[in-house]
Amino acid sequence: RKEVEQDPGPFNVPEGATVAFNCTYSNSASQSFFWYRQDCRKEPKLLMSVYSSGNEDGRFTAQLNRASQYISLLIRDSKLSDSATYLCVVLIKAAGNKLTFGGGTRVLVKP
Amino acid sequence: NAGVTQTPKFHILKTGQSMTLQCAQDMNHGYLSWYRQDPGMGLRRIHYSVAAGITDKGEVPDGYNVSRSNTEDFPLRLESAAPSQTSVYFCASSYSFPGELFFGEGSRLTVL
Repeated sequence: RKEVEQDPGPFNVPEGATVAFNCTYSNSASQSFFWYRQDCRKEPKLLMSVYSSGNEDGRFTAQLNRASQYISLLIRDSKLSDSATYLCVVLIKAAGNKLTFGGGTRVLVKP
Repeated sequence: NAGVTQTPKFHILKTGQSMTLQCAQDMNHGYLSWYRQDPGMGLRRIHYSVAAGITDKGEVPDGYNVSRSNTEDFPLRLESAAPSQTSVYFCASSYSFPGELFFGEGSRLTVL
């Protein structure tokens, strides 16, 4: 089983709609969580950190569910520019600050 | 303000050849790392460095070497390239790891 798993998609989303997807992690010692965004053939960029209480940044909302060991990302009022691959990243400090990336979830926003 | 600069952006080499991927950062970041990205797989760390003169192995170090003689540069060397090393390579820096990673634009390497 992969340490960090994501549905590769693609999630085809009408412009203006809401889309949500999850990322599951297997190691209960995971301590910090992040979402990175990667545009086609570009480098990943930090989208947001995921806090235990959940957090929101504009149209983006991230949630953490430690009991079920997953994090989620919700995008409201989707824009064409939201089309990208979203990478889930998990940090395990006890493993020497091991940072594990998921394979990514591809989102395509269409007019 | 260049950030993290990688060269070359594309390269093709033959099995057994050697080459060096260059990485330079101008943000005075202490932490530098190399990742490879393969289809369907997450980014995997090859080697990393927390300061000049200090390097360490990541999760997939075999077949790669690194050095860190100063703060800015962190070259990745393939001594004898193999087709399994065909991948997209990213250099990433951070002011203080674990913190936000800043990636270079990537180097697409094909080994025939």
